[in-house]
Amino acid sequence: DVKVTQSSRYLVKRTGEKVFLECVQDMDHENMFWYRQDPGLGLRLIYFSYDVKMKEKGDIPEGYSVSREKKERFSLILESASTNQTSMYLCASSPVKGADGGNTIYFGEGSWLTVV
Amino acid sequence: GENVEQHPSTLSVQEGDSAVIKCTYSDSASNYFPWYKQELGKGPQLIIDIRSNVGEKKDQRIAVTLNKTAKHFSLHITETQPEDSAVYFCAASKTGGGNKLTFGTGTQLKVEL
Repeated sequence: DVKVTQSSRYLVKRTGEKVFLECVQDMDHENMFWYRQDPGLGLRLIYFSYDVKMKEKGDIPEGYSVSREKKERFSLILESASTNQTSMYLCASSPVKGADGGNTIYFGEGSWLTVV
Repeated sequence: GENVEQHPSTLSVQEGDSAVIKCTYSDSASNYFPWYKQELGKGPQLIIDIRSNVGEKKDQRIAVTLNKTAKHFSLHITETQPEDSAVYFCAASKTGGGNKLTFGTGTQLKVEL
């Protein structure tokens, strides 16, 4: 089974702190994603990466950056956390193309971040 | 960019009844439409998907239909059970879009005994 692991499930950080959210996948997937989930807004794409050291902005990249130094690891960085970044963050990965041609992506369990 | 609208936001049904969740999309180039189920405290999991060259797909008690002309697709769950209670998300993506999925806002399904 595909496993996407987010190392921190629950974090509480202070305003202005630098926050790292780490994600590791074990299926040698090329693509990795960071989504943010808020009630009533669904899942919104922050950043994605289709290869090592490659990244592209998603729909809501402001206030975030990412790092992908190794294929299996994709980190989300909040340079200076703010209270409006309190949310659940979901990491995901996918192959370039699924076995049946689909674009299935696999999610981790999520990281709940509270900024106080 | 793509915009996916999902309705209803909450749905309550009696055990054994059917549940239907509907989504519309805006980008006519979208060709892949998955549905995800998210249980409390967990990440979303794919339950069924459909591609634009297919009008309907079934997997046991769940089915998805796609109307490309109207740009809408629906999830149908028959003989609902308490374990079907969860949040369901529809999504859309297109070839060459880097596997980026645009999600709907979710439907909280509650199956009552």
